Amino acid sequence: EVQLVESGGGLVQPGGSLRLSCTASGFTFSDFWIHWVRQGPGKGLVWVSHIRSDGSGTAYADSVKGRFTVSRDNTKNTVFLQMDSLRAEDTAVYYCARDEGFSTPLGYWGQGALVTVSS
Amino acid sequence: DIQMTQSPSSLSASVGDRVTITCRASQSISSHLNWYQQKSGKAPKLLIYTASNLQNGVPSRFSGSGSGTDFTLTINSLQPEDFATYYCQHSASFGPGTRVEIK
Repeated sequence: EVQLVESGGGLVQPGGSLRLSCTASGFTFSDFWIHWVRQGPGKGLVWVSHIRSDGSGTAYADSVKGRFTVSRDNTKNTVFLQMDSLRAEDTAVYYCARDEGFSTPLGYWGQGALVTVSS
Repeated sequence: DIQMTQSPSSLSASVGDRVTITCRASQSISSHLNWYQQKSGKAPKLLIYTASNLQNGVPSRFSGSGSGTDFTLTINSLQPEDFATYYCQHSASFGPGTRVEIK
């Protein structure tokens, strides 16, 4: 069974840092791109970042560029999202999701990790 | 960047109704359009990929159509478990969502 499990969420002060992890099981992790998508309280889905299957390429939304860094360790079946210089507007549930390929459908999602940025 | 819009933003419908949700891209995206269902407090679920392909395990009452800039998600014979918010997605852009509520 394909599973994605996020961890590392929590409460952090503005300007602080947090690292999310997304640990996968049930499939060949190194074959798939992984995306991060977030959802603010009562808001819609917003794409944050993606990383290629071998980690050779990454991309970021303008709102997080220069503050967030995505990486992966294929030996541990884990993708990381390092979030620095956090702002109140980064408060959201963060999901990791598996990219199924052509046209970038996100076929499997984790349960989400809540990040709250507040003093 | 390509922007995605959806209409309506919300709708009320009854069990058994046919529901249509529209998604529009700011420029042609061929058939690179996906649809998701999200229930409150849960992760999104992929329903339709590449405009018209039903994801494994999704009931056949869901269907998608369109190409270029205009796309449609149709739910035939709405069921109680279909009340949720629906999002379209192209690449790194999601539509704002359509909330389907019980009339």
